[in-house]
Amino acid sequence: GAGVSQSPSNKVTEKGKDVELRCDPISGHTALYWYRQSLGQGLEFLIYFQGNSAPDKSGLPSDRFSAERTGGSVSTLTIQRTQQEDSAVYLCASSSRDGRNYGYTFGSGTRLTVV
Amino acid sequence: QQQVKQSPQSLIVQKGGISIINCAYENTAFDYFPWYQQFPGKGPALLIAIRPDVSEKKEGRFTISFNKSAKQFSLHIMDSQPGDSATYFCAASKHSGYSTLTFGKGTMLLVSP
Repeated sequence: GAGVSQSPSNKVTEKGKDVELRCDPISGHTALYWYRQSLGQGLEFLIYFQGNSAPDKSGLPSDRFSAERTGGSVSTLTIQRTQQEDSAVYLCASSSRDGRNYGYTFGSGTRLTVV
Repeated sequence: QQQVKQSPQSLIVQKGGISIINCAYENTAFDYFPWYQQFPGKGPALLIAIRPDVSEKKEGRFTISFNKSAKQFSLHIMDSQPGDSATYFCAASKHSGYSTLTFGKGTMLLVSP
């Protein structure tokens, strides 16, 4: 597609429920990133996929968070047993082989509200 | 541990004025410093970036100044316009290839008409 697509754009869930957030990167982009944006906290790195390499999961805040990327394209971020502190905007970005010259392309994010 | 510190948190500038946002980093392995602009309801978008082999980079009204010895870099927006009102994030990454970006906490800029 023309840009990075994220769905849903908004998600309200009850505490304790599981949620799945989807990211469709730009076709041909080999790198995919998930970040979390909380009010006043900037962008917090969660996880990074690059081609067929093992993902860098160093930013995942707890074992309730997981992500996968199927076929080197679409990615799903799963949050199990959601807590109120999980409420944030979850941003996905992708980059081409030369991401350092062209930067990341971010999607518009999924706003997650845990009630 | 905040590896990229950004200030101010918010900024109000009159139309036509200069907006200045500052960032400081700790990790000397960082060697790529982009700035991202984010409008409400949208994801951040790359605005301008610099590498430490130059001290300044200018693109239109936007200029990055870089001070390697002080481990600081700043964004200057000349002739600020109401359309520049957005949140600005500085970021940094290290070495080449696919390195993740570490972001500052952002600056909300409001340019008053």
